[in-house]
Amino acid sequence: DAEITQSPRHKITETGRQVTLACHQTWNHNNMFWYRQDLGHGLRLIHYSYGVQDTNKGEVSDGYSVSRSNTEDLPLTLESAASSQTSVYFCASSESGRLTFGTDTQYFGPGTRLTVL
Amino acid sequence: GNSVTQMEGPVTLSEEAFLTINCTYTATGYPSLFWYVQYPGEGLQLLLKATKADDKGSNKGFEATYRKETTSFHLEKGSVQVSDSAVYFCALSDIQGGSEKLVFGKGTKLTVNP
Repeated sequence: DAEITQSPRHKITETGRQVTLACHQTWNHNNMFWYRQDLGHGLRLIHYSYGVQDTNKGEVSDGYSVSRSNTEDLPLTLESAASSQTSVYFCASSESGRLTFGTDTQYFGPGTRLTVL
Repeated sequence: GNSVTQMEGPVTLSEEAFLTINCTYTATGYPSLFWYVQYPGEGLQLLLKATKADDKGSNKGFEATYRKETTSFHLEKGSVQVSDSAVYFCALSDIQGGSEKLVFGKGTKLTVNP
């Protein structure tokens, strides 16, 4: 069965360190998204990609970067981790086919809980 | 810009009670509307969706009707179960320049007691 996985599931790091969160999907979806979830804020979009070599900034992109070198993976990098980046991070993907455009379902990974000390 | 407002939680109900979670939206055009559910310790998953006005999405006993005149997409269930305890997110599709992403509400936590 197709799926979307994230690793690690839990991560503790120190302020100032570079951290990379992995996201891998086997749906062969064009679109991939990274969100963070914080109490009182719901889900906020960090970065997204509509295909290989395409990346776009979301509403809370400062301090984060992504790269899309293949269809399956969209790693999220925190350049220099800050305590404000302590959060739960979710990756998602969607097909965005011609017939589903505008009605796409996003499929979410299980999340990564990141703590920055 | 496009936005979604959903009722503040948390919501606590007894088993078999009627559930309504309100969701209203602001958008240009006619976006698709979604309800996603997040069970404890898991990622979000689609619960139901509606793609045009007056459409009713339904799944697992939950329903929501796309009301263009009131810009609403309220989630309802006639008889909730303990297993429905989760966080519910209302969302709309945001289409700009040929690309598509979702705009989420802040989520409503539902707890159902036996």
